[in-house]
This record gives sequence, structure tokens and C-alpha cells, in this order.
Amino acid sequence: GAVVSQHPSWVICKSGTSVKIECRSLDFQATTMFWYRQFPKQSLMLMATSNEGSKATYEQGVEKDKFLINHASLTLSTLTVTSAHPEDSSFYICSAPAGPDQPQHFGDGTRLSIL
Amino acid sequence: SQQGEEDPQALSIQEGENATMNCSYKTSINNLQWYRQNSGRGLVHLILIRSNEREKHSGRLRVTLDTSKKSSSLLITASRAADTASYFCATAENSGYSTLTFGKGTMLLVSP
Repeated sequence: GAVVSQHPSWVICKSGTSVKIECRSLDFQATTMFWYRQFPKQSLMLMATSNEGSKATYEQGVEKDKFLINHASLTLSTLTVTSAHPEDSSFYICSAPAGPDQPQHFGDGTRLSIL
Repeated sequence: SQQGEEDPQALSIQEGENATMNCSYKTSINNLQWYRQNSGRGLVHLILIRSNEREKHSGRLRVTLDTSKKSSSLLITASRAADTASYFCATAENSGYSTLTFGKGTMLLVSP
């Protein structure tokens, strides 16, 4: 079945550091990928839609300059949290649908802890 | 914005019992999906039901959809301890590569 791989699974770093998270579709091409943020015991909040070869579409309230998204190939999207601060600490999850009107396949998430 | 609302927020049952979770939403949809999330992990897709469908089965899972009431239910029969997880409904408003709007989820605890 379709698999999405997300790396790293856990990041601990100092405030002011930029952190890059990768999301790869392993056995299918993903023209569209999604990035979510999840706080403890809460639901997923869509941050942005990553589109291969074009700019990402950000949800209201998500800072584009803070959360940089690059979707340079049909199998890879990256989320860079720039100059991260403790309030950026969260669980970040990516997903990709294998096709139109298909369910989304999720990565295992990245737990980001900013000290 | 969050659309789906699941109830109950938490459910605790014994192995062998059935678990029913409900989801309500507000706008018209193309399809509704149920996902499972184990603690600290990504989501796993369970069932996708389209707006023109009323019921779907997959193994011990049964999903219903009532578009007139804008609601869906997920039934897990003969539950097992391994079913312990959070369950989310998510709605896709459009066809194609639609974004999903997730509900708040139901935390299910199945005790041996």
C-alpha cells in the first residue's frame, strides 16, 4: 500500500534554530501534500497545502515566512520552521493522497521541541 | 476551521464490547473519512464513505453516513485492546485533491 515517510521523527533544538522536516511519498507520486500541526490531545489543524512546482497555499493565520514549504519533486515536500521558538513546539504531520478523491496517507509525524 | 464534532470525546469499554463514535459536520461534503491515531503516531485511514453512500463495512468496522443530518457514525464490533486509539472523522468538501477538515476526535480505551 501507499506509504509516506516523514523525517525526522523527533527534534530537540535551541530557540532560534531553523528546522527542516521532510515528507516523502515512497511508492506513488504526490502532486499535493498537506502539512498539519497537532497539539497534545487535540485534533489536526491544517497549516498548508503543498503543491509540486508551485507555491504552497497557507491556511489563515499561518505565517508563510515562518513555515517555509518547498515541494520540489513529485515525491518530496519539506517544511522548514524558521527561527523556531518554544511556542513552535508541537507535533507536525504530513500527508499525501494517492490520487484524486482518495484517502490521505500520513507520515508518522515529527515531534518538535524548542528549548 | 474545525468542522467535525465527534462524540463522545472519550469512551472506555471492555474487550468484546462494541464501540460507537459519532461525527457531525456543518457544510456539504464530497466524502467523509475516518482515521485512527495511536499515541504519538501518524494517522491511519480506516474507511472513506462518499456523499452518495449510506453505509460501508470493512472487517469489524461499520460506517454510516446521513447527509440530511450531516452526521456519520463509526461502529467497531467485538473490540480488542489493540483498538485503543484516538479516532477522527474528516470531511472533504470538494472532489479531487480536497483538503480535509478534522473533527476533535474520540479517545477509545479498550480494557482487557
